[in-house]
Amino acid sequence: GAVVSQHPSRVICKSGTSVKIECRSLDFQATTMFWYRQFPKQSLMLMATSNEGSKATYEQGVEKDKFLINHASLTLSTLTVTSAHPEDSSFYICSARDSGASGGLLDTQYFGPGTRLTVL
Amino acid sequence: KQEVTQIPAALSVPEGENLVLNCSFTDSAIYNLQWFRQDPGKGLTSLLLIQSSQREQTSGRLNASLDKSSGRSTLYIAASQPGDSATYLCAVLKGGYNKLIFGAGTRLAVHP
Repeated sequence: GAVVSQHPSRVICKSGTSVKIECRSLDFQATTMFWYRQFPKQSLMLMATSNEGSKATYEQGVEKDKFLINHASLTLSTLTVTSAHPEDSSFYICSARDSGASGGLLDTQYFGPGTRLTVL
Repeated sequence: KQEVTQIPAALSVPEGENLVLNCSFTDSAIYNLQWFRQDPGKGLTSLLLIQSSQREQTSGRLNASLDKSSGRSTLYIAASQPGDSATYLCAVLKGGYNKLIFGAGTRLAVHP
């Protein structure tokens, strides 16, 4: 089955530092990946759509200069939280669409295990 | 703007009960609807995906129905087990935008 990995699974950093989170599709190619944020006991909120070889599309209210997204290959997207602050502490989850799938599977998003970011 | 609501927010039941989790959405122009399971501090596991043209999907003890015209979906869990304890999220995919819109989830606790 389609597997998406994230690294690191957990990160603790000091306020003002930058943190990079990787999202990889392990056994399929993904031209489109998605980044979500989840606060405790709340649902997932889409932050941005990452398209291979082009600029990411950010949702309203998400600062593109703070959350840098790079999708340089068909299997890797990265999210960099720049100058992190305690309010950025959250659970970040990525998902990926299988570019090679057909029919209904084309719209299926496969989710990574998430990254817990804690900013002190 | 598409909004997804899940009721109840939390549910605690004894083992063996049959359960119904509800999901409603405001815009019926959806491409599909998915039910996910999320364990504490973990990512999402897809349980069932219903295309807009379908009425229901079944997997083991799980059955999900979709009534697009009324903007509702239900997830039925038969003979619940403690291992079913988790948060269940429903999400709709809006056609043409390729965005999943999630509900806030139902936190389920099944006790022995």
